[in-house]
Amino acid sequence: DAKTTQPPSMDCAEGRAANLPCNHSTISGNEYVYWYRQIHSQGPQYIIHGLKNNETNEMASLIITEDRKSSTLILPHATLRDTAVYYCIVRAGTGGFKTIFGAGTRLFVKA
Amino acid sequence: NAGVTQTPKFQVLKTGQSMTLQCAQDMNHEYMSWYRQDPGMGLRLIHYSVGAGITDQGEVPNGYNVSRSTTEDFPLRLLSAAPSQTSVYFCASSYSRGGSYEQYFGPGTRLTVT
Repeated sequence: DAKTTQPPSMDCAEGRAANLPCNHSTISGNEYVYWYRQIHSQGPQYIIHGLKNNETNEMASLIITEDRKSSTLILPHATLRDTAVYYCIVRAGTGGFKTIFGAGTRLFVKA
Repeated sequence: NAGVTQTPKFQVLKTGQSMTLQCAQDMNHEYMSWYRQDPGMGLRLIHYSVGAGITDQGEVPNGYNVSRSTTEDFPLRLLSAAPSQTSVYFCASSYSRGGSYEQYFGPGTRLTVT
């Protein structure tokens, strides 16, 4: 599986967009980019995933660069409840249920 | 749907004791997994199952057993608890959607071994 690199922490003002970057320069053609988050003490929560195209759902948008070597998770209007650790994970389709979590980015949303 | 449920929420064991952590899902998901999370660390995969009757080892399987007799249930057994197994344990289920997977996690079991 491709290795991912994320900043250890980020701050965001409440109501502003939170843009969380992820580098995955060794990604293979059959590997998906997944994003999960873990709010303090709770189980991780699936956010979004994509292969090549940009994706949007009710929680967030995922922007994948054309060369697929990096991606950005966008929370359009961050709230205090979005304070969490965000994990960027790259997995081939056949192994997507065996998620390997790294350190992630700790996002602090401030009032 | 209740989603993924785990029992108990908290447990304290003495070294050498055995116990079973329960996990159930009502979404008819084919895949289930167990993870542990130590303080300040990421999640590590213990065991996983791709369907009833089929299990395999993850990153850190030593000291744990699993079985999957039904689609719904995936219990994790600690054979002889050790202080190094003090952790938060998460169970997850997932399904395949066009070649990709979304995992759904339970609320966790907080285990302390003294």
